[in-house]
Amino acid sequence: KAGVTQTPRYLIKTRGQQVTLSCSPISGHRSVSWYQQTPGQGLQFLFEYFSETQRNKGNFPGRFSGRQFSNSRSEMNVSTLELGDSALYLCASGLAGGRETQYFGPGTRLLVL
Amino acid sequence: GQSLEQPSEVTAVEGAIVQINCTYQTSGFYGLSWYQQHDGGAPTFLSYNALDGLEETGRFSSFLSRSDSYGYLLLQELQMKDSASYFCAGGYQLTFGKGTKLSVIP
Repeated sequence: KAGVTQTPRYLIKTRGQQVTLSCSPISGHRSVSWYQQTPGQGLQFLFEYFSETQRNKGNFPGRFSGRQFSNSRSEMNVSTLELGDSALYLCASGLAGGRETQYFGPGTRLLVL
Repeated sequence: GQSLEQPSEVTAVEGAIVQINCTYQTSGFYGLSWYQQHDGGAPTFLSYNALDGLEETGRFSSFLSRSDSYGYLLLQELQMKDSASYFCAGGYQLTFGKGTKLSVIP
């Protein structure tokens, strides 16, 4: 069974731009969660989608948004990029989400200049 | 709120045993998970304790005490490839600790 895939793997943007990241979960998984990982803050939860509905949201500003499609694929968008948004963005999928085992994708490394 | 505390770094010798502790304060606690992440890689699931006690998976074991809000990951017969960061995670929306960087030295 194919794992979680994320595109693109690397991205360079400038301040003020917006970016959209994509995640395809493991086949059959209905939950997709997004995390931001930085050396200083570690892995921080952004949001979780389950069956196209946002089920949980972390403590991030409204510039961070996401959605999930009927095939469980998910996208996250960051608008008006700031230097501090430079990070590894990880997507994880699971059967039921939340506290269940999460299977992570390789991540998208975003650099904001 | 939710928080999980674990040591930032641990160094151990190849072939030895190392224990990585995790104390937590989470709302809606459902169990404690452990993940491993090599530099440049994605976190991978290691183990999950839903109930108190010890869970063993090969060289790795994980322990949970709900009454003490405490758990640990035990790695035996350490190998160089075990050098990685280890995260405990828990809570309804899977909050992660800051991670423990394990360095295995010859």
